[in-house]
Amino acid sequence: ILNVEQSPQSLHVQEGDSTNFTCSFPSSNFYALHWYRWETAKSPEALFVMTLNGDEKKKGRISATLNTKEGYSYLYIKGSQPEDSATYLCAFLKDSNYQLIWGAGTKLIIKP
Amino acid sequence: DAGVIQSPRHEVTEMGQEVTLRCKPISGHNSLFWYRQTMMRGLELLIYFNNNVPIDDSGMPEDRFSAKMPNASFSTLKIQPSEPRDSAVYFCASRTAENTEAFFGQGTRLTVV
Repeated sequence: ILNVEQSPQSLHVQEGDSTNFTCSFPSSNFYALHWYRWETAKSPEALFVMTLNGDEKKKGRISATLNTKEGYSYLYIKGSQPEDSATYLCAFLKDSNYQLIWGAGTKLIIKP
Repeated sequence: DAGVIQSPRHEVTEMGQEVTLRCKPISGHNSLFWYRQTMMRGLELLIYFNNNVPIDDSGMPEDRFSAKMPNASFSTLKIQPSEPRDSAVYFCASRTAENTEAFFGQGTRLTVV
């Protein structure tokens, strides 16, 4: 059974603070790891697609790292803003044609 | 491209009625996913098609649910008969077979009363 776990389940962060959370996935048969941002009442939107061990990707104040040998990825948000409030999902692929295996998400709430 | 298009956006139906949800994936995408979002289970995969062929339907709750993909540009998810516990937001997503992200439709909010 392929299992993708995200922690913490939810997180309250003060506006302006930086934060990070984790996605753990099987370290064998790795193909790719996706991060998505899901705002309330909207649909998930992709942030990053990561494929190589040691990958580090950045989009504005958000960045992500990937360790395929130990099976984890971190998502970092620098200087949190209220608009960062959302659920952040990661999804794992073991090959290009396989279905995405989703984590349960980390719900991030930014307190003004 | 207009993205993944789902219809209807909202559906309210009475228990026992048939409900059909529709999805048009992004042109050129050959993988299509149907998901259900519930408070209890978050984003739950119902069925996954690759090149119009169902690959994994183990997430389909029961025989009341069925999905088809008659061609590369259209898929349906049907619930017959519908029950109140089917009330949820149903998302369709598509992606290419290469290593790209999934693109989601806006979802269909189904309410069964």
